[in-house]
Amino acid sequence: QVQLVQSGAEVKKPGSSVKVSCKASGGPFSSYAISWVRQAPGQGLEWMGGIIPMFDAPNYAQKFQGRVTIVADKSTSTVYMELSSLRSDDTAVYYCARGSRFLEWFNDNWGQGTLVTVSS
Amino acid sequence: IVLTQSPGTLSLSPGERVTLSCRASETVTSNYLAWYQQKPGQAPRLLIYGASDRATGIPDRFSGSGSGTDFTLTITRLEPEDFAVYYCHHYGSSRTFGQGARLEIK
Repeated sequence: QVQLVQSGAEVKKPGSSVKVSCKASGGPFSSYAISWVRQAPGQGLEWMGGIIPMFDAPNYAQKFQGRVTIVADKSTSTVYMELSSLRSDDTAVYYCARGSRFLEWFNDNWGQGTLVTVSS
Repeated sequence: IVLTQSPGTLSLSPGERVTLSCRASETVTSNYLAWYQQKPGQAPRLLIYGASDRATGIPDRFSGSGSGTDFTLTITRLEPEDFAVYYCHHYGSSRTFGQGARLEIK
């Protein structure tokens, strides 16, 4: 059974950056898409970007272009998401999610979520 | 692609049937449309992919349909555990979620 384990909660100052990790185990890594989805308190889901490790070519939602970086480390089956220039409205739970099938982008495995709080 | 879900909130009783709508601003190619269920404090759970294929372990009271720009999720005979928030998700070239539809117990 595929498992995604994310790094722990973070508290950051406005203007700083945060890096969240997502370690996959229990299944193939390189050929399955990993997406990052965030959810602000009481709000809906927002797709931020993702990567298929074997292609090493991340793609990002237009809203986050220039502020988010997603990289995959195939040696440790870990995907990282870094968000810079943090603002208070970046306070959210950040999820990683794995594609359900080879090269597909719908997700049946999700990490436990990482709460990022941006506050001065 | 922008996904618009309706209605925003529904109040129903267990045993009732519900249909949730998801309308896309452009044609969804290859039916790259999924549905998720989310309960408070939990990660989303995949219900439907490819507009109408049930994910592994999803009860057959959940069904999806539609094509082009109009998609629906139907739940027949609501169970108490079905009261949650439902999201549609376009996973084609421009990935995005609908704003969600909340299903409340009446």
